[in-house]
Amino acid sequence: EPEVTQTPSHQVTQMGQEVILRCVPISNHLYFYWYRQILGQKVEFLVSFYNNEISEKSEIFDDQFSVERPDGSNFTLKIRSTKLEDSAMYFCASSKREYTGELFFGEGSRLTVL
Amino acid sequence: KNEVEQSPQNLTAQEGEFITINCSYSVGISALHWLQQHPGGGIVSLFMLSSGKKKHGRLIATINIQEKHSSLHITASHPRDSAVYICAVKSSKGTSGSRLTFGEGTQLTVNP
Repeated sequence: EPEVTQTPSHQVTQMGQEVILRCVPISNHLYFYWYRQILGQKVEFLVSFYNNEISEKSEIFDDQFSVERPDGSNFTLKIRSTKLEDSAMYFCASSKREYTGELFFGEGSRLTVL
Repeated sequence: KNEVEQSPQNLTAQEGEFITINCSYSVGISALHWLQQHPGGGIVSLFMLSSGKKKHGRLIATINIQEKHSSLHITASHPRDSAVYICAVKSSKGTSGSRLTFGEGTQLTVNP
């Protein structure tokens, strides 16, 4: 069964360092998303991506964050200068359709900022 | 007030019991998702609903658009059903149509 894969599963970094989280969405999906979940809190939307551009982003997704699909398969989330409060589980998801497409999530990348 | 409210927050059941988790939302939606989050953190999509009812194995999800309410039922519950169940909605508003808004989740524990 096709699946969304994420790497790394866990990354520990120092405050101020750049981090890149990688995702390989399901191959025939067109819509890509990043969500995050701070420990003990609910999942929050970060950004949606379609046709090689951001289609929507949340208030959380400030200038420290960026996304790209560099090679047609990988979908990456970059945090330029990590803060302690960026520590969270980051989930990538993909779907065939935007509004009514079933979502497929990756297993998540746990980011710990020290 | 949260846009998505789930109840109960925590639920403990004995194996074999029928379980219901409720979700109420306050915005117009294009779709509602029920998700399962495992203890390791991974999220699995269980159902996507825009109307009516869906069934998959022992799981049943219903939605009442007029009342802005959805329920997830688990029949003949089993300890392996222990997980966090999350309701999430996609708003029908044009500017926020692609994002999901999540509920807090319901922690289900099924004891043998």
